[in-house]
Amino acid sequence: ILNVEQSPQSLHVQEGDSTNFTCSFPSSNFYALHWYRWETAKSPEALFVMTLNGDEKKKGRISATLNTKEGYSYLYIKGSQPEDSATYLCAFYSNTGNQFYFGTGTSLTVIP
Amino acid sequence: NAGVTQTPKFRILKIGQSMTLQCTQDMNHNYMYWYRQDPGMGLKLIYYSVGAGITDKGEVPNGYNVSRSTTEDFPLRLELAAPSQTSVYFCASSYGGIINQPQHFGDGTRLSIL
Repeated sequence: ILNVEQSPQSLHVQEGDSTNFTCSFPSSNFYALHWYRWETAKSPEALFVMTLNGDEKKKGRISATLNTKEGYSYLYIKGSQPEDSATYLCAFYSNTGNQFYFGTGTSLTVIP
Repeated sequence: NAGVTQTPKFRILKIGQSMTLQCTQDMNHNYMYWYRQDPGMGLKLIYYSVGAGITDKGEVPNGYNVSRSTTEDFPLRLELAAPSQTSVYFCASSYGGIINQPQHFGDGTRLSIL
């Protein structure tokens, strides 16, 4: 069993603030990292799939970076809006045993 | 497109009963997955399938069985329900493997075993 840690556990920001959170994973046997956005009462929705060290992905105001050598990924949200309120999950895929491990998520609340 | 559809949405079972959680997808995805989510925990992989007729265990398979007779359907069976199986269950699918394809999730089945 591998550990995928996300920090902080929860975050409250004001509308318009920029914010970021971290996903930490084992740096050995890396295969892929996924980010998902999970709104209350809905199902997780894919944001990014990242596979290469140094990858940077962007979708609107949300971007992510990946460092496989040190075992972390950052998710950034620029100019947070109330509709960004959700739990953001990362999931690490190891090439040993074909396992996919999810973190417990960062819960973001954007206050209007 | 309906995407990934799970039924039922809610169910209460008695200890020792059996049931099947249904999952179907209409995206012609070859990979399908079952997860459970317990309070304060991340999603845990129960079983997955890389195509019709092929299934494999995930991190927490004990107490569950799966089958994959068609590309579209991936039912999860609980044979002897136990209180420890009270959870929210999510089915997901992807086109190709996890290495470069995101997963598409259903809306979940909330299962309580009393």
